[in-house]
Amino acid sequence: SQKIEQNSEALNIQEGKTATLTCNYTNYSPAYLQWYRQDPGRGPVFLLLIRENEKEKRKERLKVTFDTTLKQSLFHITASQPADSATYLCALGGPTDSWGKLQFGTGTQVVVTP
Amino acid sequence: DTAVSQTPKYLVTQMGNDKSIKCEQNLGHDTMYWYKQDSKKFLKIMFSYNNKELIINETVPNRFSPKSPDKAHLNLHINSLELGDSAVYFCASSPSDYGYTFGSGTRLTVV
Repeated sequence: SQKIEQNSEALNIQEGKTATLTCNYTNYSPAYLQWYRQDPGRGPVFLLLIRENEKEKRKERLKVTFDTTLKQSLFHITASQPADSATYLCALGGPTDSWGKLQFGTGTQVVVTP
Repeated sequence: DTAVSQTPKYLVTQMGNDKSIKCEQNLGHDTMYWYKQDSKKFLKIMFSYNNKELIINETVPNRFSPKSPDKAHLNLHINSLELGDSAVYFCASSPSDYGYTFGSGTRLTVV
């Protein structure tokens, strides 16, 4: 069965450092991968989308890589700030699923301390 | 202006009752979704509608029935509520093949 795995342990990081999160998947051939941020009591907020033919995407202090051979995506937050503290979710969508069905990982909590 | 709004935000009800959650989006997106987030924070797709047509219906009990009167609205009706239905339900919308915009969620508690 399809599986999307994110590190369930919280990532504690000091302000100014780079946070790196991992998303691994099995039994899946996604056409694209997305990253979301979720704060307590709120809905997920879309951050970045990367397609299967793209290796890397950047948006401000965020960087995403996508390795379809390793079946892995890395999500980096550079120069992290306390305001970056949240849970980050990866999500996969694409041809092996019905169109429009985005499947989510369980998320990794990031805590940035001053 | 709220892009995806769902009501109510909180819903506490007794087992066996029937309840509805409403969702509206003003983004002009063609596709709308219902997701369920359980106590372990896992988000799972329930339904997807494209231009008022049901395109995804995951393994969800028949007690859950979505209705889309137009492409800006997707409501969720739940019959005979059970304790296990307690969760946060999120509505979302998207253009094709891009990021989703989620509502703020409806926390359903069945007692």
